Amino acid sequence: LAKTTQPISMDSYEGQEVNITCSHNNIATNDYITWYQQFPSQGPRFIIQGYKTKVTNEVASLFIPADRKSSTLSLPRVSLSDTAVYYCLVGDMGGATNKLIFGTGTLLAVQP
Amino acid sequence: DADVTQTPRNRITKTGKRIMLECSQTKGHDRMYWYRQDPGLGLRLIYYSFDVKDINKGEISDGYSVSRQAQAKFSLSLESAIPNQTALYFCATSESGGLGTEAFFGQGTRLTVV
Repeated sequence: LAKTTQPISMDSYEGQEVNITCSHNNIATNDYITWYQQFPSQGPRFIIQGYKTKVTNEVASLFIPADRKSSTLSLPRVSLSDTAVYYCLVGDMGGATNKLIFGTGTLLAVQP
Repeated sequence: DADVTQTPRNRITKTGKRIMLECSQTKGHDRMYWYRQDPGLGLRLIYYSFDVKDINKGEISDGYSVSRQAQAKFSLSLESAIPNQTALYFCATSESGGLGTEAFFGQGTRLTVV
């Protein structure tokens, strides 16, 4: 499983764009990059997933450079309700060896 | 109704007691997981199961056991609870096969061992 490294915490203000970067230097060919969001006392929920280049949905964008050794989750115009922990996972999600290891994530604190 | 249901939602138990946390899912997924979460430590994998006959230890399995009674049910047991097992426990499911998939989590069980 590819090890991931992401900042422990980040601060932002309402209305700003937030970019959270995750490093995964030993990502494998079959690995996807997936981001989850977790609010206090709730289970994580899927935000976005990608394999290469850029993926965008109604919640976020995911930027993946050509070498795939890192990825950046971009949250446009954050609000107070975006305060949460964000986890970056790398793995062959449906594959035989994937164990869904989450790590400690990045705590994003959005202030007014 | 939730796709992944955990029972109980909250439980207080005494040291040395046996306790079982239950998880059921209606998503038809093969894979199920149990995690614990402690403040500031993220989610740590306890056990996971890729099908009914498959049980695997995760990062922190000591003091825990599991049972996969059916595709839809995955139970976590603490044979003799101790205070440092006080935590928030989550069950999750995901599909097998394919290169990309997402996991679905239950609402969590807050366990306090006194």
